[in-house]
Amino acid sequence: DAGITQSPRHKVTETGTPVTLRCHQTENHRYMYWYRQDPGHGLRLIHYSYGVKDTDKGEVSDGYSVSRSKTEDFLLTLESATSSQTSVYFCAIRIGQTQETQYFGPGTRLLVL
Amino acid sequence: AQSVTQLGSHVSVSEGALVLLRCNYSSSVPPYLFWYVQYPNQGLQLLLKYTSAATLVKGINGFEAEFKKSETSFHLTKPSAHMSDAAEYFCAVSDRGGATNKLIFGTGTLLAVQP
Repeated sequence: DAGITQSPRHKVTETGTPVTLRCHQTENHRYMYWYRQDPGHGLRLIHYSYGVKDTDKGEVSDGYSVSRSKTEDFLLTLESATSSQTSVYFCAIRIGQTQETQYFGPGTRLLVL
Repeated sequence: AQSVTQLGSHVSVSEGALVLLRCNYSSSVPPYLFWYVQYPNQGLQLLLKYTSAATLVKGINGFEAEFKKSETSFHLTKPSAHMSDAAEYFCAVSDRGGATNKLIFGTGTLLAVQP
């Protein structure tokens, strides 16, 4: 258990509404990541953070923004949700400076109607 | 650019049979390689990782994987399947020494174990 929680765990929303997902860690790890999981695509990186207020884009960042105002929290925001953003979202943290292993949270299942 | 290919989106084996899940990677630099397992409605759990020590890596639950540079492969095996091994398995690659450690995942292999 890497001490990662995600909230909410499930959410149903309507197209056009803003949505914020939260990832919380208890161990002050520097690197945090947001992925989405879709059938046939595996997991794809949305955004990542390498420190407070330090973030960068992943391969599928369009339509998403992130913020990290403190070490323990990494927020993912869908400014105006679309049906194509229906997915399962996973947060991950990186543990260790040399072996670069990522550990994943339990996921958030988002349905955009 | 790095990439991972998992051959076979669905694999079915009988309980007690050999499990072989295939993973081939593409990387311009020596990679780190990982296998994760995902049980239904759960997050991903690390099974094992290759980080340049022994090429045969042993993981949890009796799984192991062998790094073969000449074949750019990192196949996952288990000598005898158990019903509890039914899950989805993901292979992933990252740059060795990359500053941001971005993981590139394969599309996953769903393992079914028949009684």
